[in-house]
Amino acid sequence: AQSVTQPDIHITVSEGASLELRCNYSYGATPYLFWYVQSPGQGLQLLLKYFSGDTLVQGIKGFEAEFKRSQSSFNLRKPSVHWSDAAEYFCAVGPYNTDKLIFGTGTRLQVFP
Amino acid sequence: DTAVSQTPKYLVTQMGNDKSIKCEQNLGHDTMYWYKQDSKKFLKIMFSYNNKELIINETVPNRFSPKSPDKAHLNLHINSLELGDSAVYFCASSPPLGGNIQYFGAGTRLSVL
Repeated sequence: AQSVTQPDIHITVSEGASLELRCNYSYGATPYLFWYVQSPGQGLQLLLKYFSGDTLVQGIKGFEAEFKRSQSSFNLRKPSVHWSDAAEYFCAVGPYNTDKLIFGTGTRLQVFP
Repeated sequence: DTAVSQTPKYLVTQMGNDKSIKCEQNLGHDTMYWYKQDSKKFLKIMFSYNNKELIINETVPNRFSPKSPDKAHLNLHINSLELGDSAVYFCASSPPLGGNIQYFGAGTRLSVL
């Protein structure tokens, strides 16, 4: 069965520090992969996506993610975190040829000044 | 202009009542979804509709009935509300051949007392 694991429930970083949020997926083939961000009281906003091709994808707000097939991972990174990045981050898998997204349990990011 | 809009934003009601949540998208998308986010922030798909036709029904109790009067609208009607229905419900939409990219509404927080 397809699944997504985000091992870190809660991460705290200082403003200006680098960030990496982990995501591992379980799927028989290469799925579509996504990162979404949910700010408090808001809906989900797409940060970036991977379908195929270059394994390093750039997204909005200075985020990037790297697909590693050998590790079934799609980790999200940002070189320098801003206080406004504090939010809940969700990794998701979109199995090929279906319409649904399977989400991880989310990682809550706190940013200290 | 809000792309995917849900009403109401908050809904507080008693057990046993029947309530509806409305969703509209002005993106011209063919596919719409309902997701449930529980108190631990876990997001799970409930339904998807493509051009008014039910595509995905993820073993949701039949007290939940989606209705799509046209492809821009997907409403969610819930009968005989239970305490466990308390959650945030998100509507989303995606374009044809969009590779599962989904655009989310801001959510409806349902509290059943």
